[in-house]
Amino acid sequence: GIQVEQSPPDLILQEGANSTLRCNFSDSVNNLQWFHQNPWGQLINLFYIPSGTKQNGRLSATTVATERYSLLYISSSQTTDSGVYFCAVVAGGTSYGKLTFGQGTILTVHP
Amino acid sequence: DTGVSQDPRHKITKRGQNVTFRCDPISEHNRLYWYRQTLGQGPEFLTYFQNEAQLEKSRLLSDRFSAERPKGSFSTLEIQRTEQGDSAMYLCASSLGSMRGRLYGYTFGSGTRLTVV
Repeated sequence: GIQVEQSPPDLILQEGANSTLRCNFSDSVNNLQWFHQNPWGQLINLFYIPSGTKQNGRLSATTVATERYSLLYISSSQTTDSGVYFCAVVAGGTSYGKLTFGQGTILTVHP
Repeated sequence: DTGVSQDPRHKITKRGQNVTFRCDPISEHNRLYWYRQTLGQGPEFLTYFQNEAQLEKSRLLSDRFSAERPKGSFSTLEIQRTEQGDSAMYLCASSLGSMRGRLYGYTFGSGTRLTVV
């Protein structure tokens, strides 16, 4: 099956710093989503981005489907950004929403 | 209807007991998914329903696991003869879909954390 790798596994920042999280995937995808899992375990959908670039406030994401990677940018980080960020894909040829997740990036933002 | 609801939030059970979890999806969503997440890992797909039909089951779903979605509304996940390895967070999600594979409104519940002692 499709493989999803995220880097870095851990990231520690001071409040106000910028960061870039990366997601590599091994095959073509129909869907790609970025999620934030908060300390209570809730997964929040940040972006649906199988290709192109999107921005939402301090967050933006870019997916280059032909090169099989996606990037999540966090600018001016805040302590509330802490948590685990997951990239998840739906493999090409799958007609429904079976998501394959990466291992996640654990982000800690210190005040 | 504000989101996907899961019940209970936490469950502690003795090894060998049966447990059942419930998921109430967003009412207009016809697709429902179950995932399992162990500590330090990303969620792993277990099974998928379109309306009341269970259309795919992962190899992770052993014969001790069964899921249902009667009438295409809420879903239940039952684990029989629980083992310590079943300890995990069980997540439910729902979505709409399209013929082109676009997923609309993919939303996760808060999960049920199972601890088998």
